Amino acid sequence: VQLQESGPGLVKPSETLSLSCTVSGVSFTIYYWSWIRQPPGKGLEWIGNIYHSGSTDYNPSLKSRVTISVDTSKNQFSLKLTSVTAADTAIYYCAKGGKNFDYWGQGTLVTVSS
Amino acid sequence: DIQMTQSPSSLSASVGDRVTITCRASQGIRNDLVWYQQKPGKAPKRLIYTASSLQSGVPSRFSGSGSGTEFTLTISSLQPEDFATYYCLQNNSSPPTFGQGTKVEVK
Repeated sequence: VQLQESGPGLVKPSETLSLSCTVSGVSFTIYYWSWIRQPPGKGLEWIGNIYHSGSTDYNPSLKSRVTISVDTSKNQFSLKLTSVTAADTAIYYCAKGGKNFDYWGQGTLVTVSS
Repeated sequence: DIQMTQSPSSLSASVGDRVTITCRASQGIRNDLVWYQQKPGKAPKRLIYTASSLQSGVPSRFSGSGSGTEFTLTISSLQPEDFATYYCLQNNSSPPTFGQGTKVEVK
């Protein structure tokens, strides 16, 4: 099982952070898929998850700014986080699982700065 | 949200020591508790799930116990590769929430 995040490493304040996660080595359509983030030197925060049907669940702390979508034809799911601030600077991980994560991507650092 | 509190936040130990980390939930979560190990620059690695089930490939010196609101992760004999930060995660209810982490350092 492999997960690989991709997307810009630098986003300007007030703009939208966009990341994708490509999954290989496992049947994409029988699992939930999640995004998790970790500010540098700090702890882990679950952002939300998605099922192949498009059903989503978001962390209430971020719900107003988050959209997670899926493209089953590409074995991919994506994250959009709007109106970012410096507080959104973090390593963003994609992971297999809805609330219990057994496989993780390597993570990608996204810095919010002008 | 369910709050997860780990203790201690950090500890110093030597190779061969027995190490115990505690995680407390703000409300009962049955046995819906996962333990992760994270090394610098790496993604977390799952060690234990459903409080006490050992992830395939993880050495048997790692064990987990507990149910309800109090859980422990035990390393029976600390090895050099075990110096890392450990996190608990409750997956009983949404949003899933992590403890703040316990850093295991060289004494």
